Amino acid sequence: GDSVTQMEGPVTLSEEAFLTINCTYTATGYPSLFWYVQYPGEGLQLLLKATKADDKGSNKGFEATYRKETTSFHLEKGSVQVSDSAVYFCALSALNSGGSNYKLTFGKGTLLTVNP
Amino acid sequence: DAGVTQSPTHLIKTRGQHVTLRCSPISGHKSVSWYQQVLGQGPQFIFQYYEKEERGRGNFPDRFSARQFPNYSSELNVNALLLGDSALYLCASSLEISTDTQYFGPGTRLTVL
Repeated sequence: GDSVTQMEGPVTLSEEAFLTINCTYTATGYPSLFWYVQYPGEGLQLLLKATKADDKGSNKGFEATYRKETTSFHLEKGSVQVSDSAVYFCALSALNSGGSNYKLTFGKGTLLTVNP
Repeated sequence: DAGVTQSPTHLIKTRGQHVTLRCSPISGHKSVSWYQQVLGQGPQFIFQYYEKEERGRGNFPDRFSARQFPNYSSELNVNALLLGDSALYLCASSLEISTDTQYFGPGTRLTVL
């Protein structure tokens, strides 16, 4: 079945440091890939997405490129801020075996803490 | 525009009780999905509904059930609660059943004592 493996945390960085959170996936067919962010005590917010190979998703300074050859979708940001402290989830969306609906499959999440 | 809304925000129940969680999708969205997020883990898919019909089901026992109403809102029901049902229950909506992007609500935190 589909699965997502992401870098285990926690990750602790200083403000303005470079961020990379690794994510690899296993899926049949051609999934869409997502990064969601969860701030303490809240639900998930869509951060960015990519729907096909070599697509780059970007939002709020975060970027991730859909790499089909390495089945990866690593999240990067050039300069993190304290306000970026949250849990980041990599996910894929693929049609079920019957082809009738999409479901999201998530990684376990990576806790990012950014210190001033 | 309002996002996905869920109620209640928090809920405390005891083992063996029943619980109903509610979700209203983004206006114009016709598909609703439910996910369970246990502390420290990623969300796990429970159900997807579209046009009042169940269109997908995850690996959850029959104690879990759901329905969707004509206005596209949805309820998740859990019977005979177990301690292990304690989790954040997330509702997500998407425009159509064929849409791959889902938008999440704030969740309902269920604690089973």
